[in-house]
Amino acid sequence: NAGVTQTPKFQVLKTGQSMTLQCAQDMNHNSMYWYRQDPGMGLRLIYYSASEGTTDKGEVPNGYNVSRLNKREFSLRLESAAPSQTSVYFCASRWTPNTEAFFGQGTRLTVV
Amino acid sequence: QKEVEQDPGPLSVPEGAIVSLNCTYSNSAFQYFMWYRQYSRKGPELLMYTYSSGNKEDGRFTAQVDKSSKYISLFIRDSQPSDSATYLCAMSGNSGGSNYKLTFGKGTLLTVNP
Repeated sequence: NAGVTQTPKFQVLKTGQSMTLQCAQDMNHNSMYWYRQDPGMGLRLIYYSASEGTTDKGEVPNGYNVSRLNKREFSLRLESAAPSQTSVYFCASRWTPNTEAFFGQGTRLTVV
Repeated sequence: QKEVEQDPGPLSVPEGAIVSLNCTYSNSAFQYFMWYRQYSRKGPELLMYTYSSGNKEDGRFTAQVDKSSKYISLFIRDSQPSDSATYLCAMSGNSGGSNYKLTFGKGTLLTVNP
């Protein structure tokens, strides 16, 4: 029962480096989400994909890009990492907007 | 005003106590309400899912939704040390436009002491 799988689990980047966070779900869900979680800030939505072929900005999209590669996969790219992007990143998916969402185990990213 | 407000706590209770966790919201379009539990350094896991107003019970957990007051609650009966975690409320609207978003409260840190 894989559910939502995120890779990598941990990453350290230098300021200005780029990287892509990968997310894949095996539940045939239509909608996928990227959140970041910071102490005292809760879960903040970066981008979401309501269905395959669509993406939309969330609350904190600046500095990020996303790609909905297919129905299973939704990647998050940091083009030029900044220390302010140090955070824990969570991917989530759900079948439709009126169903529950399931989360991956997170990617812990540090930008130095 | 944030769309979803949740008291961050921390909340500390003795084992066996009844715990009440709450969220308020401002968006009247919200119809689907969820509670998640998050252990330290783990991803959120779904505890309860409810639609519109009313109560839902699952074992020691009861979720309540009062749409007229824009207020949701999670009750934990006979709390256990293993319930120590951060509890997050989440909500969304019907299909279409921004209602695809799932909006979270900041979470309440709960500690149940043996």
